[in-house]
Amino acid sequence: RKEVEQDPGPFNVPEGATVAFNCTYSNSASQSFFWYRQDCRKEPKLLMSVYSSGNEDGRFTAQLNRASQYISLLIRDSKLSDSATYLCVVNDRSGAGSYQLTFGKGTKLSVIP
Amino acid sequence: EAQVTQNPRYLITVTGKKLTVTCSQNMNHEYMSWYRQDPGLGLRQIYYSMNVEVTDKGDVPEGYKVSRKEKRNFPLILESPSPNQTSLYFCASSRLGDNQPQHFGDGTRLSIL
Repeated sequence: RKEVEQDPGPFNVPEGATVAFNCTYSNSASQSFFWYRQDCRKEPKLLMSVYSSGNEDGRFTAQLNRASQYISLLIRDSKLSDSATYLCVVNDRSGAGSYQLTFGKGTKLSVIP
Repeated sequence: EAQVTQNPRYLITVTGKKLTVTCSQNMNHEYMSWYRQDPGLGLRQIYYSMNVEVTDKGDVPEGYKVSRKEKRNFPLILESPSPNQTSLYFCASSRLGDNQPQHFGDGTRLSIL
């Protein structure tokens, strides 16, 4: 069974803090990796894709380590608006015609004034 | 406006009464998918479709049916709903290929009494 495991959280951090989320995946054939954010009772929204070389988007940095099957998300200078649940998502294309997405259970972040 | 539209947004019904949740996307996406989200279990994939007339089981297909007669529509059918299908359901679509993000609908909250 394909698994995506995330830090259970919740993370309660003060404004301005740096916070890191980790995620591990079980299927070494996984091809694509993403971080989504989900606000309470809303649909998940793409935060950023995760590329092999690592990538940055403003205050957010994502890293991928294929050898360790590990993905990370770093948020610098946390804002109140960053409070949400962060979902690690893996796209498995290991089987012929397979294109299945597996979501981690999410890590809840609360940024406190 | 590019969007994924689900209907209804909320539904309370009784055990055994067939229901259909519709999903439509206007982005000409090949890939469409249904998820259910339950507390403590995260988002789990029910069914997905990579093209017209092509559907595949996700992780939790039992008790659900889908069809993909047209590219834009991917309805979720519960032939005989049961209380354990009470959940928050999301439809999503994307292009096929690596690093293609999922676009989610607003969600459908189903309560089966």
